[in-house]
Amino acid sequence: AQSVTQPDIHITVSEGASLELRCNYSYGATPYLFWYVQSPGQGLQLLLKYFSGDTLVQGIKGFEAEFKRSQSSFNLRKPSVHWSDAAEYFCAVHRDSNYQLIWGAGTKLIIKP
Amino acid sequence: DTGVSQNPRHKITKRGQNVTFRCDPISEHNRLYWYRQTLGQGPEFLTYFQNEAQLEKSRLLSDRFSAERPKGSFSTLEIQRTEQGDSAMYLCASSFSYGYTFGSGTRLTVV
Repeated sequence: AQSVTQPDIHITVSEGASLELRCNYSYGATPYLFWYVQSPGQGLQLLLKYFSGDTLVQGIKGFEAEFKRSQSSFNLRKPSVHWSDAAEYFCAVHRDSNYQLIWGAGTKLIIKP
Repeated sequence: DTGVSQNPRHKITKRGQNVTFRCDPISEHNRLYWYRQTLGQGPEFLTYFQNEAQLEKSRLLSDRFSAERPKGSFSTLEIQRTEQGDSAMYLCASSFSYGYTFGSGTRLTVV
């Protein structure tokens, strides 16, 4: 069965520092992978997605993610975080049988001034 | 196109009352999803429509929950005889293929 693991519940980063959020998936075929961001009390916004092709994908707000099949990973990165990036980040993969998403538990990003 | 719209944004209700939420998806999207999210957790799937047909319901969706999507446009989610455990954010999303667009959610508080 498909599953998504985000090993870090919380990550604290200083403003201006680089960021990497980890995501590992379990999936038999080529996965369709997504990263979403959720600010407190808000819905989820799509940051970026990977379907096929170039394994380094660019998203909104300066984020990027790299698909590594050998490691079953799809880690999210940003070279320099801003205080406004403080939010919860969710990794997700599409199920085989329909268009449902399987979600990770999320990683809460805290920004230190 | 103003994205996915959910109403109301917040709802406070007394235990035992019925509540109904509405979701207006992006007009060209044929798929519509309802999720529930509690604090510190990822979204939990509740149900899914393709056009007007409800194709899948989660085991989480007890018989107190019912969802409709008449004419394949907007959708409603009704919770009857609310319980305190129903307090959560209810998220609606729509899609045409892969990847969803979410609404801002309806936060339900049952007191």
